[in-house]
Amino acid sequence: NAGVTQTPKFQVLKTGQSMTLQCAQDMNHEYMSWYRQDPGMGLRLIHYSVGAGITDQGEVPNGYNVSRSTTEDFPLRLLSAAPSQTSVYFCASSYGQGWTEAFFGQGTRLTVV
Amino acid sequence: QQQVKQSPQSLIVQKGGISIINCAYENTAFDYFPWYQQFPGKGPALLIAIRPDVSEKKEGRFTISFNKSAKQFSLHIMDSQPGDSATYFCAASRRGANNLFFGTGTRLTVIP
Repeated sequence: NAGVTQTPKFQVLKTGQSMTLQCAQDMNHEYMSWYRQDPGMGLRLIHYSVGAGITDQGEVPNGYNVSRSTTEDFPLRLLSAAPSQTSVYFCASSYGQGWTEAFFGQGTRLTVV
Repeated sequence: QQQVKQSPQSLIVQKGGISIINCAYENTAFDYFPWYQQFPGKGPALLIAIRPDVSEKKEGRFTISFNKSAKQFSLHIMDSQPGDSATYFCAASRRGANNLFFGTGTRLTVIP
């Protein structure tokens, strides 16, 4: 089983560029989410989805867009990259919300210069 | 505002020793407290979790102690091994909620 797959693993962007971080899971999980991990701040929720066609904002949504057209895929879009978005991004999926185990991808390390 | 406070930031323990990481929270609505383990270059993975109807949960060398009145919980790693060297995150959530609130992480190094 692949679990949660994120691409790319590394990316360097120039300020103002746009890009999409890809996330796919093969566990038929309804709940998917995006986190960013910054030194000294733990992981913070950017956006989440409770099923295909349904998305909502987390703690730090500004500068990011998401969509969920299928159960398997949950891409994260940076519309106009800023240096403050330099971070490690993790996609996660789980069977449900709250009490269930979250399965994380291996992360995308993004640098905005 | 950090919903879950974690300490220490880093921890160095001799092989065979006990590693202890502490977390505290304010929101009394939280009712699920997992610990995640993260190795370099990998995503976090669930290590162990507890709900507040019990004060302790043990899985092998890993134990969560939970103090509901103090709103604190801790991870104890007994007989720490070099393979336990990783970053550990505590987290909190509640049933039906959309967010896991993570602590800031503890980098554990176990010296052979």
